[in-house]
Amino acid sequence: QVQLVESGGGVVQPGRSLRLSCAASGFTFSSYGMNWVRQAPGKGLEWVATIWFDGSNIYYADSVKGRFTISRDNSQNTLYLQMNSLRAEDTAVYYCAKDAIISSGFYFFDYWGQGTPVTVSS
Amino acid sequence: DIQMTQSPSTLSASLGDRVTITCRASQSISRWLAWYQQKPGKAPTLLIYKASTLESGVPSRFSGSGSGTEFTLTISSLQPDDFATYYCQQYYSYWTFGQGTKVEIK
Repeated sequence: QVQLVESGGGVVQPGRSLRLSCAASGFTFSSYGMNWVRQAPGKGLEWVATIWFDGSNIYYADSVKGRFTISRDNSQNTLYLQMNSLRAEDTAVYYCAKDAIISSGFYFFDYWGQGTPVTVSS
Repeated sequence: DIQMTQSPSTLSASLGDRVTITCRASQSISRWLAWYQQKPGKAPTLLIYKASTLESGVPSRFSGSGSGTEFTLTISSLQPDDFATYYCQQYYSYWTFGQGTKVEIK
């Protein structure tokens, strides 16, 4: 069965960096686009970043553009989110989510990880 | 950017009630809309995609309709497991979620 397991969250000071990982199993990771979505405490869902199955296209929300970098290692079935210059408003639970449709394009998300919390605070 | 607006933000209902949630897009998104359910402390789960296609395993009391800019999610007879927050998401141009609708017990 599909499993997505995030890790790397924690408490970090403003301006510092953090790298999140998402270990995938149960499907052919290299065939699907992958995404990061976050949820601030008590708030709704916010799309953060997307990478196509082969890494050929990458998209970011304006709120993280220039500070966050999404990447993937298809040989390790792992998705990453490098977060630099962190701000208090980046505090959230970060979910990785799998595209529902094989190959590339704008798709909905059919499986989500359990999330990893990130707190940006001095 | 495409904005998604859900209404209401909170909905109080009783078991067995028919419940309807509306999602409006700031521009036409054809039928590129999904609905998710989220329970406290859990990840969202996919209910419906392409506006009206039920994800495998989702109970048939859930249904979706609409196209263009206006969409609805309907629960035909509210069950105990349905008390949760529901989000719409457009995937026509990048990805945007609605702000959520919390369905609570009346």
